[in-house]
Amino acid sequence: DAGVIQSPRHEVTEMGQEVTLRCKPISGHDYLFWYRQTMMRGLELLIYFNNNVPIDDSGMPEDRFSAKMPNASFSTLKIQPSEPRDSAVYFCASSPQSTGNTIYFGEGSWLTVV
Amino acid sequence: QQQVKQSPQSLIVQKGGISIINCAYENTAFDYFPWYQQFPGKGPALLIAIRPDVSEKKEGRFTISFNKSAKQFSLHIMDSQPGDSATYFCAASIPWNAGNMLTFGGGTRLMVKP
Repeated sequence: DAGVIQSPRHEVTEMGQEVTLRCKPISGHDYLFWYRQTMMRGLELLIYFNNNVPIDDSGMPEDRFSAKMPNASFSTLKIQPSEPRDSAVYFCASSPQSTGNTIYFGEGSWLTVV
Repeated sequence: QQQVKQSPQSLIVQKGGISIINCAYENTAFDYFPWYQQFPGKGPALLIAIRPDVSEKKEGRFTISFNKSAKQFSLHIMDSQPGDSATYFCAASIPWNAGNMLTFGGGTRLMVKP
């Protein structure tokens, strides 16, 4: 099993630029999550999908953030325009409904906005 | 509003010692309590988990102790090894069919000295 695949692994961008993070969940998983990790705030849930439908986006910090899941094998998290305070590690994770809450994380996308 | 409080933030233990990390929760609807382990540059990975119908679960050197009345649970790492040095997160979840979301504690950075 390939696990959750995220890209890019590292990105450095200038303030004001658009950033797109990509995720391929584990095949067959019903849930997909986007988390953000910072030293100050720890692991924060941004948004999650069930069967490609966004269920809860209350963790999305502001309108500059958007997430889509056009099909069961692909999701994007977009930041436009990016700001230095968006610098963080962004994790995508997926979960099969059958296991009751076990979440499998990708290796993360390290974003630096300068 | 942090629903899962984790302590300590950092912990240094000698090789062979016992590492203890504590978590407290507020929401009595939580029914699943996992611990995740995260190595530098990697995503968190499930280490061990417990449901509130048991007071203890042991897997190798790792044990979860659960106190439902006190709304607390803890991770004990016996015979701690340098390879256990990582960040540990406790988490809690409501029943998956009511919304499959994990709430994470703030994390504990464990260093095991050789």
